[in-house]
Amino acid sequence: LAKTTQPISMDSYEGQEVNITCSHNNIATNDYITWYQQFPSQGPRFIIQGYKTKVTNEVASLFIPADRKSSTLSLPRVSLSDTAVYYCLVGNSGSARQLTFGSGTQLTVLP
Amino acid sequence: DGGITQSPKYLFRKEGQNVTLSCEQNLNHDAMYWYRQDPGQGLRLIYYSQIVNDFQKGDIAEGYSVSREKKESFPLTVTSAQKNPTAFYLCASSIGTVPQAFFGQGTRLTVV
Repeated sequence: LAKTTQPISMDSYEGQEVNITCSHNNIATNDYITWYQQFPSQGPRFIIQGYKTKVTNEVASLFIPADRKSSTLSLPRVSLSDTAVYYCLVGNSGSARQLTFGSGTQLTVLP
Repeated sequence: DGGITQSPKYLFRKEGQNVTLSCEQNLNHDAMYWYRQDPGQGLRLIYYSQIVNDFQKGDIAEGYSVSREKKESFPLTVTSAQKNPTAFYLCASSIGTVPQAFFGQGTRLTVV
């Protein structure tokens, strides 16, 4: 399983763009990169998933360089309600153990 | 509404008692998972199941047991052998063909 490394915490202010980077040096060819968001006392919620280049949805963008050894979750114009823990996962559907969570990044949005 | 339901939301038990946490999904997902989360920590995998009547241990299976008799259900029993059972327990399911999971709202177990 590819191990991921993320910053433990980040602070931002309302209205700013936030970029959270995840390192996954031993990502496998068939691995996807998936990001989840978790609020206190709730289950994680899927945000975005990608394989290469750039993926964008209504919530975030995911940037993946050509070597795929890292990825960056971009949250545009954050609000106080974006304060949460963000997890980066790397894996594929070939094994149910794909869903291995690290410690995540605690994002705190300040007014 | 399709989704994954955990019950109860809060559970209190006396030390030495077994307790079973419920997890039901109506998403027709093949794979189901149980995680444990301690305060300020990430999720740790307890057990997972890819198909009915089959399941595998995760990273912290000691003191826990599961069953998968139906596709929709994956109950977790926290046994008296689990030394520190007080935690937040999360159940998840995935379709199996893409690595994306849906989570329940969790059960907070307190053992006194």
